[in-house]
Amino acid sequence: KAGVTQTPRYLIKTRGQQVTLSCSPISGHRSVSWYQQTPGQGLQFLFEYFSETQRNKGNFPGRFSGRQFSNSRSEMNVSTLELGDSALYLCASSSGQPAGDEQFFGPGTRLTVL
Amino acid sequence: GNSVTQMEGPVTLSEEAFLTINCTYTATGYPSLFWYVQYPGEGLQLLLKATKADDKGSNKGFEATYRKETTSFHLEKGSVQVSDSAVYFCALTANAGGTSYGKLTFGQGTILTVHP
Repeated sequence: KAGVTQTPRYLIKTRGQQVTLSCSPISGHRSVSWYQQTPGQGLQFLFEYFSETQRNKGNFPGRFSGRQFSNSRSEMNVSTLELGDSALYLCASSSGQPAGDEQFFGPGTRLTVL
Repeated sequence: GNSVTQMEGPVTLSEEAFLTINCTYTATGYPSLFWYVQYPGEGLQLLLKATKADDKGSNKGFEATYRKETTSFHLEKGSVQVSDSAVYFCALTANAGGTSYGKLTFGQGTILTVHP
């Protein structure tokens, strides 16, 4: 069974630009969660989508948004990039049921904002 | 809210030494507990999990027991190898739905370096 894939693996953007990251979950998984990993803040939850609906959201500004498609693939978008958005963005998939189900992570997208 | 506290690192050991990485948690209800490992340049891999009190998760020689009375989930391995060098994260997810959906709460991570 193929694992979680994320594209692109690396991105370099400048302040003020916007970026879209993509995540393809494990086949059959309907839940996709997104996390931001930085040296200072560690791993922080961004949001979770299940069957094209956002079920949960972390404490990030509205510049961070996401969506999920009918095939469970998910995208996250960051608008008006700031230097502090430089991070490793990880997505994880799970069956989504029950709520405490284990998550399987992709390799991440490394975003650098200059 | 929920939180996870891991022992401060980094941890440096010689090959074949005994490993303990402490993890304690604060959560409402009955969370599921996990240990994830991250190798350089990679995402997180699930190492082991436990879903209820007194459960022991184990994998690749690593073990951790869900201790509800001490709210702990310490990671142990009897004999570490150089290939175990990585960052280890303790995490929990609540089982209550709502604001728990899809959300893992992580500890700060512990860097483990094993020397030959």
